[in-house]
Amino acid sequence: ELKVEQNPLFLSMQEGKNYTIYCNYSTTSDRLYWYRQDPGKSLESLFVLLSNGAVKQEGRLMASLDTKARLSTLHITAAVHDLSATYFCAVASINSGGGADGLTFGKGTHLIIQP
Amino acid sequence: GAGVSQSPSNKVTEKGKDVELRCDPISGHTALYWYRQSLGQGLEFLIYFQGNSAPDKSGLPSDRFSAERTGGSVSTLTIQRTQQEDSAVYLCASSHTSMTGEQFFGPGTRLTVL
Repeated sequence: ELKVEQNPLFLSMQEGKNYTIYCNYSTTSDRLYWYRQDPGKSLESLFVLLSNGAVKQEGRLMASLDTKARLSTLHITAAVHDLSATYFCAVASINSGGGADGLTFGKGTHLIIQP
Repeated sequence: GAGVSQSPSNKVTEKGKDVELRCDPISGHTALYWYRQSLGQGLEFLIYFQGNSAPDKSGLPSDRFSAERTGGSVSTLTIQRTQQEDSAVYLCASSHTSMTGEQFFGPGTRLTVL
């Protein structure tokens, strides 16, 4: 059974600081996704990581994937208040047809950035 | 429309009643997924459709839950004889059949069972 663990689950930080969210998963997969969720809203896709060593950056967020370590990181640089949200990593199981089955999500990291 | 749509956005029902939730995927997306989000259980995968067929229904929480998809487009998730533990936000996502498998989520249906 695929398990996905995120840490920390809760993070309060000040604007301008850097921090990293970690996502570990238990079985082989080369498809990892990061999503953002604002309170009362749905999930917004942030990054799709498809291979070992993949690195994606968007603004102050950077995500990376190490499939050998079964680890992905989401790094926040010089945090700003607008980045306050819950961040989820998710891993896909691949079906026999090569498509993605349902995603297994981590519990989410609730990030609060204090002005 | 441009994104995944779901209806109703909110549903309040009495224990024991049946409910039907609807999902309209992004046009052209062949894969459709249902998830459930609750405080206690987090985000759980329920079922996946490729076209109109669902290869694996084992993620459905009980036999009170069923789902169908017709015409390769709209999907409905039906919960019979609702229980209080069914209260959650039900999210639908769709994906184009591609190597990325990126799933785009709808706004969800908040179900409250009294």
